[in-house]
Amino acid sequence: QVQLQESGPGLVKPSETLSLTCTVSGDSINNYYWSWIRQPPGKGLEWIGYIYHSGSTNYNPSLKSRVTISLDMSKNQFSLKLSSVTAADTAVYYCARRANTAMPYYFNFWGQGILVTVSS
Amino acid sequence: QSALTQPPSASGSPGQSVTISCTGTSSDVGGSNIVSWYQQHPGKAPKLILYEVGKWPSGVPPRFSGSKSGNTASLTVSWLQADDEADYYCSSYAGSDNFLVFGGGTKLTIL
Repeated sequence: QVQLQESGPGLVKPSETLSLTCTVSGDSINNYYWSWIRQPPGKGLEWIGYIYHSGSTNYNPSLKSRVTISLDMSKNQFSLKLSSVTAADTAVYYCARRANTAMPYYFNFWGQGILVTVSS
Repeated sequence: QSALTQPPSASGSPGQSVTISCTGTSSDVGGSNIVSWYQQHPGKAPKLILYEVGKWPSGVPPRFSGSKSGNTASLTVSWLQADDEADYYCSSYAGSDNFLVFGGGTKLTIL
């Protein structure tokens, strides 16, 4: 069964770039869509975007100007970069995947989540 | 402000049923049957409990059921158990531009 694990700094300064990596084990990056979702403390979920194994991406319009999702096939990882962060970007960030290779309209597999705080 | 509207709270006693609504627009909930529901216990990742309105992922009991009418989807939890106490989120496909939107979540309390 596929497992996902987020990693990266837990504290980022305002105006800097948040960088997270999701390491995939138990399956290959190939043939699937890989997604990022976030959840501010005490609030609801927000879809950030996804990347397909081909490298094609789709981002939330509200974040599109600041988001980049990329793949590292050799390491079976995918990454999230969010630039010019503010306190509003403080959240638990999850990586996730659907069970099959179809479009990522929902997610069967989730990482445990990583809390990223934006503060000076 | 979340794209989909859910009641902030719901409650029920063990053995009873409770229904949680999720209201969107014709651009999301009303526009397709790609509506899903997640259960989230404190400090845990969300767990998919229903997809495509009323289908169950492997291992999810049929006590959880879903339906949709117009721009509103609903989750019904029957035969409530203590472990059902959690936050519940709906999600919907919202077209090629917005792609995926979530509700603000409903906290289910077992009395």
